[in-house]
Amino acid sequence: QQQVKQSPQSLIVQKGGISIINCAYENTAFDYFPWYQQFPGKGPALLIAIRPDVSEKKEGRFTISFNKSAKQFSLHIMDSQPGDSATYFCAATLNTGNQFYFGTGTSLTVIP
Amino acid sequence: DAGVTQSPTHLIKTRGQQVTLRCSPISGHKSVSWYQQVLGQGPQFIFQYYEKEERGRGNFPDRFSARQFPNYSSELNVNALLLGDSALYLCASSWTGDEQYFGPGTRLTVT
Repeated sequence: QQQVKQSPQSLIVQKGGISIINCAYENTAFDYFPWYQQFPGKGPALLIAIRPDVSEKKEGRFTISFNKSAKQFSLHIMDSQPGDSATYFCAATLNTGNQFYFGTGTSLTVIP
Repeated sequence: DAGVTQSPTHLIKTRGQQVTLRCSPISGHKSVSWYQQVLGQGPQFIFQYYEKEERGRGNFPDRFSARQFPNYSSELNVNALLLGDSALYLCASSWTGDEQYFGPGTRLTVT
């Protein structure tokens, strides 16, 4: 059973546009929700993370929106740039952080 | 500060062989986790170690084992390799368990 479901599988956005990636989770005990960015041949890099006590977190051009009742969270990339072209993964874990459950990834392409 | 380091970068093995992958965490981090990432998929959790104790184990067969050393570095061992074990093996370190920082991975190819 997929604990974290991610969509879309791929996304093409014009430079300067907004990229939106969505994730839904099953386990209401999850309490830490990070987003990772991965370039080909590299390990995932932590972008931004949120805990369920807040509904939104913003860091630069990256914003996480969190809807606890719907068990959904999303990543918004404002003013998308070609350098943002990468695969993005959402994840979730329990407070012990001893197992992260990852989504299946979204391949983002930003067209100049 | 140096990030998470992993060795080797690439590895080619034959079915049935055994392999050992190594990971050095970020200085000060006491937790190390191992993940398997098959091409086109998200990372799948294999193990987590904290202060040299196993804290979690994912849904992987007993052919997979790991350990953490007093300096918090870690090794992942896979015995009796199968073609399906071909993947990118990622190590992540953290202070307590959340905010995990990943290394570049070891690309394992089993032929």
